[in-house]
Amino acid sequence: GEDVEQSLFLSVREGDSSVINCTYTDSSSTYLYWYKQEPGAGLQLLTYIFSNMDMKQDQRLTVLLNKKDKHLSLRIADTQTGDSAIYFCAESIRDGGFKTIFGAGTRLFVKA
Amino acid sequence: GAVVSQHPSWVICKSGTSVKIECRSLDFQATTMFWYRQFPKQSLMLMATSNEGSKATYEQGVEKDKFLINHASLTLSTLTVTSAHPEDSSFYICSAMTGLRMSYGYTFGSGTRLTVV
Repeated sequence: GEDVEQSLFLSVREGDSSVINCTYTDSSSTYLYWYKQEPGAGLQLLTYIFSNMDMKQDQRLTVLLNKKDKHLSLRIADTQTGDSAIYFCAESIRDGGFKTIFGAGTRLFVKA
Repeated sequence: GAVVSQHPSWVICKSGTSVKIECRSLDFQATTMFWYRQFPKQSLMLMATSNEGSKATYEQGVEKDKFLINHASLTLSTLTVTSAHPEDSSFYICSAMTGLRMSYGYTFGSGTRLTVV
């Protein structure tokens, strides 16, 4: 079945790097996404990676994809207090049309 | 950038009444919009896919008669929770695909917190 799993909580000190991990089960994934959700708000797309890529870097964000292990990670360099939020991993799969499956979200807490 | 406006942000209603939530794409046309439900500390659960000019496609286990979806124009989709009960209390979020390519991801509304008392 379709499943996306990620750890629920991560705490880091300001200035350190944060690494949020995600595993997925459906091998028909086309795109994989990382979204950020601040309290009471909708989701904001942070970055995405196509399933045939290994890595993507976008300023402080680095996405690594291990397609063999179905493992995706998001690294935030120089983490700031403003990065405190819930980060959702998501995959788009073919299901007739396309469907997006979300993980439960990782709550990142940045200590000053 | 693409913006999806969702209204209202929060609503409190009595059991048995109906509540309508609107989702508008402000600067792009969205032939397809998605409605999600989020329980506290849990992920988004896709409820239905809303297609402009046609019937919505509901996920398994979602009651189509309870959660009425209308997508009458390329910029507006509505979700009506009919005969609301306390267990319908949740955070509802809509989204639309931004552009024609999946790499653009989905733009989300800011969500509606529904509390049924």
